Amino acid sequence: QLQLQESGPGLVKPSETLSLTCTVSGGSISSTSYYWGWIRQPPGKGLEWIGSIYYSGTTYYNPSLKSRVTISLDTSKNQFSLKLNSVTAADTAVYYCARHPSMTTVTLRYWGQGTLVTVSS
Amino acid sequence: QSALTQPRSVSGSPGQSVTISCTGTSSDVGGYNYVSWYQQHPGKAPKLMIYDVSKRPSGVPDRFSGSKSGNMASLTISGLQAEDEADYYCCSYAGSYTFIFGGGTELTVL
Repeated sequence: QLQLQESGPGLVKPSETLSLTCTVSGGSISSTSYYWGWIRQPPGKGLEWIGSIYYSGTTYYNPSLKSRVTISLDTSKNQFSLKLNSVTAADTAVYYCARHPSMTTVTLRYWGQGTLVTVSS
Repeated sequence: QSALTQPRSVSGSPGQSVTISCTGTSSDVGGYNYVSWYQQHPGKAPKLMIYDVSKRPSGVPDRFSGSKSGNMASLTISGLQAEDEADYYCCSYAGSYTFIFGGGTELTVL
């Protein structure tokens, strides 16, 4: 059974870089059949797609976050990562990683449990 | 990109049917048959309930159904049960390999 698990610091200072990792078990991130994405949810608010990556390293980003986001793969560890720079309080959210089968059909079938990141000094 | 528009809340009694709307534009909901719906209970990750407008993943009860007309997609839950009380989010392909979510709808089972 596929499982995804987010990890990283729960507290980040304003203007610094938020870094999270998603560890995948029960499946390979090198599969040609899937894309790996990040979604966030500010406390009490809705979901926002941040971006996704394919096994080849091709990335796709939300235009509103593109200038601050980098998503990368580490196939040796079966992990993919998110970096969001120049964070502010508005970036405080639960961050989820997820798997989807294409960059058109929005079928986010497998999700991690989510990790809360608070931006505060 | 602006979030898709969903009603803030809907409610229904056990056994009744409710419909949650998701309104977008011709650049997202109306332009593609790629709308999905997610159920989220408090403190939990979202769960896929409907994809490609009207397809149900295995394990999702057939009480849940999806449809689309023009720029509006809908999720209908029939035979409401107490465990259906949750937040529901729509999501659509928005072109140029991007996704957009709705603002979410809180479903209360009276």
